[in-house]
Amino acid sequence: NAGVTQTPKFQVLKTGQSMTLQCAQDMNHEYMSWYRQDPGMGLRLIHYSVGAGITDQGEVPNGYNVSRSTTEDFPLRLLSAAPSQTSVYFCATHMTVNTEAFFGQGTRLTVV
Amino acid sequence: RKEVEQDPGPFNVPEGATVAFNCTYSNSASQSFFWYRQDCRKEPKLLMSVYSSGNEDGRFTAQLNRASQYISLLIRDSKLSDSATYLCVVVNSGYALNFGKGTSLLVTP
Repeated sequence: NAGVTQTPKFQVLKTGQSMTLQCAQDMNHEYMSWYRQDPGMGLRLIHYSVGAGITDQGEVPNGYNVSRSTTEDFPLRLLSAAPSQTSVYFCATHMTVNTEAFFGQGTRLTVV
Repeated sequence: RKEVEQDPGPFNVPEGATVAFNCTYSNSASQSFFWYRQDCRKEPKLLMSVYSSGNEDGRFTAQLNRASQYISLLIRDSKLSDSATYLCVVVNSGYALNFGKGTSLLVTP
């Protein structure tokens, strides 16, 4: 089983560029979410989804968009990259919010 | 005040030692509690859930104190392979996980 697949693993962007981080899961989980992890800050929630067609904002949503057209996929779009978005991004999925979360391997993004 | 707080450490302990981490949370309505482990530059992985009655998994023991709003993780007979960052995770009535910043553990020979 692939579990949770995130692509790309590494990315360098120039300020102002846009890109999409991909997240796909084959676990048939309803809950999917995106976190960013910065030194000394822990993991912070960007956006989350409780099912296809349903998304909501987390703690740090500014500068990011999401959509959930299928159960399997939950892409994260950076609209106009800024150096403050340099971070490690993790996608997570779980069956319910009270059960184990499974994470992708992360995307290391640098914005120059 | 952050919802979930942990001592960042680092905790440096020799092999075989017992080490304990605490985590406090601010929302008294929190429903579920977990400890995740994160190795350097890797994704977090579930170490164990924390139940009201306390639970044990081999060398690891987790406890929950709802009255004082803290959870703990005890690691006995530390191994070199236990070196990692331990993340406290609390779930409230919403749909997201609330992470502490993590506690770094280094087990030395």
